[in-house]
Amino acid sequence: ELKVEQNPLFLSMQEGKNYTIYCNYSTTSDRLYWYRQDPGKSLESLFVLLSNGAVKQEGRLMASLDTKARLSTLHITAAVHDLSATYFCAVPHRNTGNQFYFGTGTSLTVIP
Amino acid sequence: DTGVSQDPRHKITKRGQNVTFRCDPISEHNRLYWYRQTLGQGPEFLTYFQNEAQLEKSRLLSDRFSAERPKGSFSTLEIQRTEQGDSAMYLCASSLREYQPQHFGDGTRLSIL
Repeated sequence: ELKVEQNPLFLSMQEGKNYTIYCNYSTTSDRLYWYRQDPGKSLESLFVLLSNGAVKQEGRLMASLDTKARLSTLHITAAVHDLSATYFCAVPHRNTGNQFYFGTGTSLTVIP
Repeated sequence: DTGVSQDPRHKITKRGQNVTFRCDPISEHNRLYWYRQTLGQGPEFLTYFQNEAQLEKSRLLSDRFSAERPKGSFSTLEIQRTEQGDSAMYLCASSLREYQPQHFGDGTRLSIL
């Protein structure tokens, strides 16, 4: 079964600092998705990474994918309080794009 | 695009009772998914519909669980004889095509007393 691991699980960082969240997965996939979830809210799609070497950026967040290493990173630049949330990566099932396997999430708290 | 809506938002019930949740996907999306999320975990896939056909089911979906999407629009998820371990957030998502990002509803939080 496909396993998706994220680290760290919890991240507390000061405003203005940079940090990276890592997502490792256990089987071959050339796609990966990042989601954000605020407490009590639904998951919001952030990035879709569709191939090896893909890089996407939105504001202070940048995501990349290395399919050979089975690794994706979510880099946070100059964090602000509004980025406080839980971030999930998800990998689709190898044979079907319908089952997404989610990591355990990284709970990010940005401290003023 | 009104997004994916789920009803109810919260459900509290006694162990052994049956519960039913409803999901209305984004109108043009023919693919609908159910996930379960427990505290501190990521969502876990339960089942998937393409139009009215239920095409994939997780082994997490015991025989106490049944899902339907009778006309290829809204879907229901029923849990019979609820158990403590069923307490979770039940999330519905929809998409237009496979491999596209799935759009999630706000979920139904089930609490078993």
